[in-house]
Amino acid sequence: AQSVTQLDSQVPVFEEAPVELRCNYSSSVSVYLFWYVQYPNQGLQLLLKYLSGSTLVESINGFEAEFNKSQTSFHLRKPSVHISDTAEYFCAVSGGPGTYKYIFGTGTRLKVLA
Amino acid sequence: DSGVTQTPKHLITATGQRVTLRCSPRSGDLSVYWYQQSLDQGLQFLIQYYNGEERAKGNILERFSAQQFPDLHSELNLSSLELGDSALYFCASSGDTEQFFGPGTRLTVL
Repeated sequence: AQSVTQLDSQVPVFEEAPVELRCNYSSSVSVYLFWYVQYPNQGLQLLLKYLSGSTLVESINGFEAEFNKSQTSFHLRKPSVHISDTAEYFCAVSGGPGTYKYIFGTGTRLKVLA
Repeated sequence: DSGVTQTPKHLITATGQRVTLRCSPRSGDLSVYWYQQSLDQGLQFLIQYYNGEERAKGNILERFSAQQFPDLHSELNLSSLELGDSALYFCASSGDTEQFFGPGTRLTVL
């Protein structure tokens, strides 16, 4: 069975500092991996995804995540955060094409401080 | 805009009542998922439909039911509502890779 662990429920960080949000997964099959962001009072939006190929994936707003198969991790990083990055971030895994099953982590609340 | 629509945006009702939440998936997506998000429980998967058939069930209460119609829109029915059912209810649809989420319906049970 697949599972996703986000160990940090809250991460406070000062503006312009780097941040890493951790995500570990378990799966016996090839996976697709995702990071979603949820701003207050909004739905979840896809931030970035790993399907295959390059293990480093990037978003348009400066976030990146690296798929590490040996450590079964997909940590999200940003070298310099902005106040506007304050949101909840969810890591998710699916079993690849045709499985249509998605497992979400419990979320990490990123609070960027001025 | 994800292409997934949900109505209504807000719903206020009383305990014991029944409500219906509606979701239209992205054009071409056959799979629809329902989630409940509350402060104390986080994001909880309720149920999934694929092309009209129930595919997977999560933490869905017996008082809740859902269906997906031939035009692929889906409805989530919540009955005998309790205070604890107050939450955000999200619908998502998917094609071959990622899920796309709707804006949600905020349900308040008084």
